[in-house]
Amino acid sequence: DTEVTQTPKHLVMGMTNKKSLKCEQHMGHRAMYWYKQKAKKPPELMFVYSYEKLSINESVPSRFSPECPNSSLLNLHLHALQPEDSALYLCASSPTGLAGTGELFFGEGSRLTVL
Amino acid sequence: AQTVTQSQPEMSVQEAETVTLSCTYDTSENNYYLFWYKQPPSRQMILVIRQEAYKQQNATENRFSVNFQKAAKSFSLKISDSQLGDTAMYFCAFMKHSGGGADGLTFGKGTHLIIQP
Repeated sequence: DTEVTQTPKHLVMGMTNKKSLKCEQHMGHRAMYWYKQKAKKPPELMFVYSYEKLSINESVPSRFSPECPNSSLLNLHLHALQPEDSALYLCASSPTGLAGTGELFFGEGSRLTVL
Repeated sequence: AQTVTQSQPEMSVQEAETVTLSCTYDTSENNYYLFWYKQPPSRQMILVIRQEAYKQQNATENRFSVNFQKAAKSFSLKISDSQLGDTAMYFCAFMKHSGGGADGLTFGKGTHLIIQP
């Protein structure tokens, strides 16, 4: 299994809603990432988890709350979002340690629309 | 901090032609990785080719090859015998070698490559 699976593929939410994006991988990777991508722009790093601990937070607003319950799962909890948060949210994973090659494996993304 | 620059927002070539996408980067790191990722309209980011900075030999993957010039901080991608399926956004990306940990990719702005039939 060489896939990173993201659910849901599409999400529409109001500014007062609470929702979550989910990401799962079974490749044994111990690093997982959230990226935000606006149309026709490169992905922007949001969070990095290494060995289930948050190692990088790129000054992301607190309305985005990441969670890594175990080595295979990564969640992004969303609350009180703004319309400008509408974007494609990409999850990725990578091997670490001696197996690390630097390569990130990406999911297909969750397309979020905030009304 | 690292920066990655792709100076060609869009390129268009005929099928079967060879095309070269440019990328330059700036870093004070000595040990790092460079990548080219492809993002088709279906949106999943796929690795095209990877280069480790300590390796002088240019990486190749079938029709894809790079010209890595470490001193010049240049990392261009050459696609030979281009195919319709090569149509996509191509992102050049940098990652510093974090010694077993994890670090994020820094992406360039991308080049939209269109292969014409």
